This record gives sequence, C-alpha cells and structure tokens, in this order.
Amino acid sequence: DSGVTQTPKHLITATGQRVTLRCSPRSGDLSVYWYQQSLDQGLQFLIQYYNGEERAKGNILERFSAQQFPDLHSELNLSSLELGDSALYFCASSPGPSRVNEQFFGPGTRLTVL
Amino acid sequence: AQSVTQLDSQVPVFEEAPVELRCNYSSSVSVYLFWYVQYPNQGLQLLLKYLSGSTLVESINGFEAEFNKSQTSFHLRKPSVHISDTAEYFCAVLNNAGNMLTFGGGTRLMVKP
Repeated sequence: DSGVTQTPKHLITATGQRVTLRCSPRSGDLSVYWYQQSLDQGLQFLIQYYNGEERAKGNILERFSAQQFPDLHSELNLSSLELGDSALYFCASSPGPSRVNEQFFGPGTRLTVL
Repeated sequence: AQSVTQLDSQVPVFEEAPVELRCNYSSSVSVYLFWYVQYPNQGLQLLLKYLSGSTLVESINGFEAEFNKSQTSFHLRKPSVHISDTAEYFCAVLNNAGNMLTFGGGTRLMVKP
C-alpha cells in the first residue's frame, strides 16, 4: 500500500458525459501528479500540482482539468468524454518536485466510456 | 525531449531461468532512471532507481539494473525468476525539473512453470 488513495476504483459512463476522479496523497506529500494509462498511448504524464498550484503540464487535453485543494487532495475532471478516454488514470504523490523524491502511485481509477 | 524505449513488449520465460528486460533512453540532460512494476489489477510500484553513484542498482527482491551511459541503456536483470514475478515492467526517466516521468511502453514478463 503506497498510501495514495484514489476513488472511485471503477467508473463507467457514456460519451459526452463529465466525471471527476479523486486522489488523496500520502500524508505530508505536497506534490500530486496525474498519469493516464491507455492501450494506445501507454503511460503518459498529464499534470502536476504542488501545494495547490499547477507546476507542470504534459499531454493533457483541453477537455480535462485538475485542481489541488487546501487539504492537498486533488481532483481530475474529464468532460465531453469520448470512447478514446477509456483508460486507467493514476495519481501519484511525492514530498516535492525535487528529482530525488520518489513518486508513489495510487491503485488507479479505471474509466470506461461507452 | 526525453524518450524511453522498451524493446520487448512481452518476455516469456520459464521459472528459475534468468531474464533481461531491455530499456534504452534518450535525454539531453543528466538522467534519473527508474524501473516500476505493475502486478495485475494493481498500481505501479517502484522496483529500483538510479540517481547517481554506482551504476549497478539492486532491488530487495533480486532484480538489478545497470546504468550504461555510453549505450544509453538501463536494462533490468534477474538471475532466477519466480512465478510471482509475472507482471508488467516499466522503465522511466525523470525530467530535469523532477516532476515528469516519461515511461517506456512496458514489458510484460510471463513466468511459466
């Protein structure tokens, strides 16, 4: 158990809908990262937040957005869902953005868009 | 830009045989390299990492990886695999800012009895 929790574990929804994925980082970690794992694209970095502020953006679609709240949990919002958004979404956390800090991954949320 | 290539998408091997999972990277800056393991229906777990120092790094469960700068490789090895090692293995490189992992496509290790 990494200490990172993600809810829900599974999510099934329809095209055009909007969903919210939630992540609680390990106690004391200030950085949260979101990754997408799909059959087509593999594992891709989406976005990073550090202590409530966006720090880095990867291959995140404009239909997707994220935020980190004062209690440090983070939410990833996916809107106007398409079939191709079906994937496993991982959250990871670390104490900070330093290169020596390991990122600890949560168990993921499996999103299925029908 | 950084990239990671895992040359083998699947590696079948018999139990107690040795295995090598190959990883090559491309980076214009000094590299921090990682191997993560993903067991079925689970998240990613860090297996081992190279940050600096000795080019040979070891994990607690018998895996080792060697950083080779001239060949831009970070291959993962184990002298004798177990059924429980069946999983997907991902090689990754961390960017200079320390916030973005770039992953390879993954190698599925299938250990057969």
